[in-house]
Amino acid sequence: SQTIHQWPATLVQPVGSPLSLECTVEGTSNPNLYWYRQAAGRGLQLLFYSVGIGQISSEVPQNLSASRPQDRQFILSSKKLLLSDSGFYLCAWSVSPGNQPQHFGDGTRLSIL
Amino acid sequence: AQTVTQSQPEMSVQEAETVTLSCTYDTSESDYYLFWYKQPPSRQMILVIRQEAYKQQNATENRFSVNFQKAAKSFSLKISDSQLGDAAMYFCAYRGGGSNYKLTFGKGTLLTVNP
Repeated sequence: SQTIHQWPATLVQPVGSPLSLECTVEGTSNPNLYWYRQAAGRGLQLLFYSVGIGQISSEVPQNLSASRPQDRQFILSSKKLLLSDSGFYLCAWSVSPGNQPQHFGDGTRLSIL
Repeated sequence: AQTVTQSQPEMSVQEAETVTLSCTYDTSESDYYLFWYKQPPSRQMILVIRQEAYKQQNATENRFSVNFQKAAKSFSLKISDSQLGDAAMYFCAYRGGGSNYKLTFGKGTLLTVNP
């Protein structure tokens, strides 16, 4: 069966520090991968998605970036975090195309001090 | 651009009773998919039910069912025999057809189940 792992679960970082959140998927090949952010009391906002190695589409311009160095690995990064980057970050995967849903990781709660 | 609207920020239901959560969406596409996700306090996003727009029959998963009204662009979720474990934030989501992989989420409805 397919599983998705996301870490760390919780992260506290100072303003201006770098960020690296990692997500890996097991049990499937060539998945579509996604990074979402959920601000407090709000729905999910799609940040990035990837349909293959090295292929990244950005949905919201900001100081975050994403990379996909391997088929089942998706990394969310920042060189300098802002206070507004605080939130709950969720990684998800799906098979493509079709009516298949996205399956989510457990999320990372990021607090910027 | 597609939008998804959940007009009920909060809802409550008595245990064992039925509750309906509303969702409307705006799209110009004829081929698309709709989903309901549940996010309990653990924050994990869990798929509850899905509906293909080309199917006229409403989807059903055990105690969960939808009322899909394509012409009205409405996709409500009905939870029957509500249980304490159903308490969560519920999100309605839209995905376009073809190679469009994006999910657009509503802002969510917080469901409380009273014993």
